[in-house]
Amino acid sequence: AQSVTQPDIHITVSEGASLELRCNYSYGATPYLFWYVQSPGQGLQLLLKYFSGDTLVQGIKGFEAEFKRSQSSFNLRKPSVHWSDAAEYFCAVGGQPARQLTFGSGTQLTVLP
Amino acid sequence: DTGVSQNPRHKITKRGQNVTFRCDPISEHNRLYWYRQTLGQGPEFLTYFQNEAQLEKSRLLSDRFSAERPKGSFSTLEIQRTEQGDSAMYLCASSSRDRGYNEQFFGPGTRLTVL
Repeated sequence: AQSVTQPDIHITVSEGASLELRCNYSYGATPYLFWYVQSPGQGLQLLLKYFSGDTLVQGIKGFEAEFKRSQSSFNLRKPSVHWSDAAEYFCAVGGQPARQLTFGSGTQLTVLP
Repeated sequence: DTGVSQNPRHKITKRGQNVTFRCDPISEHNRLYWYRQTLGQGPEFLTYFQNEAQLEKSRLLSDRFSAERPKGSFSTLEIQRTEQGDSAMYLCASSSRDRGYNEQFFGPGTRLTVL
């Protein structure tokens, strides 16, 4: 069975500081990996995805993530955080054949002025 | 691309009542998914359709829950005899074959409160 662990429930950073959100997955084959962002009371917006190829993927809003097969990780990074990045971030895994996504429990990001 | 829409956005009901939610997927997407999200948790899969066929149901989908997608377009999720434990955000997503189905686009959700 596939699973996702996001070890950090809550992270606080200052505006302009760098950010790294951790994600570890468990999946028996090559995973399809995603990061979504959710603002309060809203649905999920896709930030970026990894299917294959280059292990460093670029997404929207200046985010990037790196797939490390040896560590079963897919950490999300941003070099300089903006106040508008405050939200909840979810890592998810899918596979082939494509069916449902399995999500982690999320990391709440607070940005200090 | 008008995105996935869900109605209503909020629903407050009393325990024991029935509720129905609607999801309209992105028009060319033939797969539609329902997820449930409780406070402080990530979304959990409930069920999904390919066209009008319901292909998979989670063990979370008790017999009080029923989902339909009669014409392969919009879908409804009905909860009968609601319980307080049903209070959650119900999210709908859709995906298309040309993106390999894995890339799912989510709607804004319907927040259900059972009193």
